[in-house]
Amino acid sequence: EAEVAQSPRYKITEKSQAVAFWCDPISGHATLYWYRQILGQGPELLVQFQDESVVDDSQLPKDRFSAERLKGVDSTLKIQPAELGDSAMYLCASSLGSGRRSYNEQFFGPGTRLTVL
Amino acid sequence: ILNVEQSPQSLHVQEGDSTNFTCSFPSSNFYALHWYRWETAKSPEALFVMTLNGDEKKKGRISATLNTKEGYSYLYIKGSQPEDSATYLCAPNRDDKIIFGKGTRLHILP
Repeated sequence: EAEVAQSPRYKITEKSQAVAFWCDPISGHATLYWYRQILGQGPELLVQFQDESVVDDSQLPKDRFSAERLKGVDSTLKIQPAELGDSAMYLCASSLGSGRRSYNEQFFGPGTRLTVL
Repeated sequence: ILNVEQSPQSLHVQEGDSTNFTCSFPSSNFYALHWYRWETAKSPEALFVMTLNGDEKKKGRISATLNTKEGYSYLYIKGSQPEDSATYLCAPNRDDKIIFGKGTRLHILP
């Protein structure tokens, strides 16, 4: 069964360091999402891609976070420099949907647990 | 801002008992509602997507209802089993955005 792949599964870093997370969506899925989930909260959308284009990054802290999906397939989320408050689960999801107004099912990866010391 | 409320936040249920919990959301500009189950150390798994007022979906012992006019959805689990222990997330799709609630954490007691 096709799955969304993410790596690493766990990352421990010191504040002010740079970190990067990778996501490989299900083949053929045009839409890719990055979420951040802080303990006790629901997943919060950071960025949404339609193919290689960003369609929503309104909640992405652009002073330190960046995301790219250069060939419209896999994606990288980077934080530089990391801060203590960035400790969270970072989830990637993909869906078939084309366009923002879609109720297509999202398929999630296992997430990357980031701890910033 | 879409305010999604899930209650209760946490729930302990005896194995074999049935239970239910709630997701409430603003009813205006509603498009769809998703329910996900998120087990520890696993990926969130889609349970249902619901779009029509009065929708009722069922998957094994789990079912869900939707009221778009008053802005709520119920998730029901019949005859709880240990494998039902998870966080259940609802995510309304409204105004081109999908917003997740904080979830209901369900613990099944043996």
